[in-house]
Amino acid sequence: EDKVVQSPLSLVVHEGDTVTLNCSYEVTNFRSLLWYKQEKKAPTFLFMLTSSGIEKKSGRLSSILDKKELFSILNITATQTGDSAIYLCAGTNAGKSTFGDGTTLTVKP
Amino acid sequence: DVKVTQSSRYLVKRTGEKVFLECVQDMDHENMFWYRQDPGLGLRLIYFSYDVKMKEKGDIPEGYSVSREKKERFSLILESASTNQTSMYLCASSFARSITEAFFGQGTRLTVV
Repeated sequence: EDKVVQSPLSLVVHEGDTVTLNCSYEVTNFRSLLWYKQEKKAPTFLFMLTSSGIEKKSGRLSSILDKKELFSILNITATQTGDSAIYLCAGTNAGKSTFGDGTTLTVKP
Repeated sequence: DVKVTQSSRYLVKRTGEKVFLECVQDMDHENMFWYRQDPGLGLRLIYFSYDVKMKEKGDIPEGYSVSREKKERFSLILESASTNQTSMYLCASSFARSITEAFFGQGTRLTVV
């Protein structure tokens, strides 16, 4: 059975801090690792990672994949209160995604 | 912009009722999915479909069925609703057999009393 584990489950930081969210996976016929951000409604897409060692960046967010060790990290630098959300990672194979439980990030002013 | 629309944001139903949750996407996606999301349990896949009239069980299909008569519409059916099916239900769609992201609907919060 495919499995994705995220850590920590929750995190409370202050504005300006840097955070690292972890995601390990065991997915048969793995194709890609996806990161989503979920605020009060539907998850919205952040990154898709398919190759090891290549960092993807979008503003203060960045992510990298290690296909040998089967994990990914999501970094957020200079956090803002608007970064407060649940961050989900998912491993995919042939279009089907297995999600982790998510990391709930709270950024305090 | 891809749009995935779920028919209701909030729904309250009685135990034993038959419940239909509807999902429509407008991007001609082949893949459609139904998840439920519960605190501490993440998103769990109920059923998915790669094509019209085809369906596959996900990780927690018990107590649910689905219907995909048209490519753009994927319905989740609770044959006899129970209180343990109180949850947030999310529909998603994506391109066929692809590795790209799924697009989610806004969710339906179902309460079974």
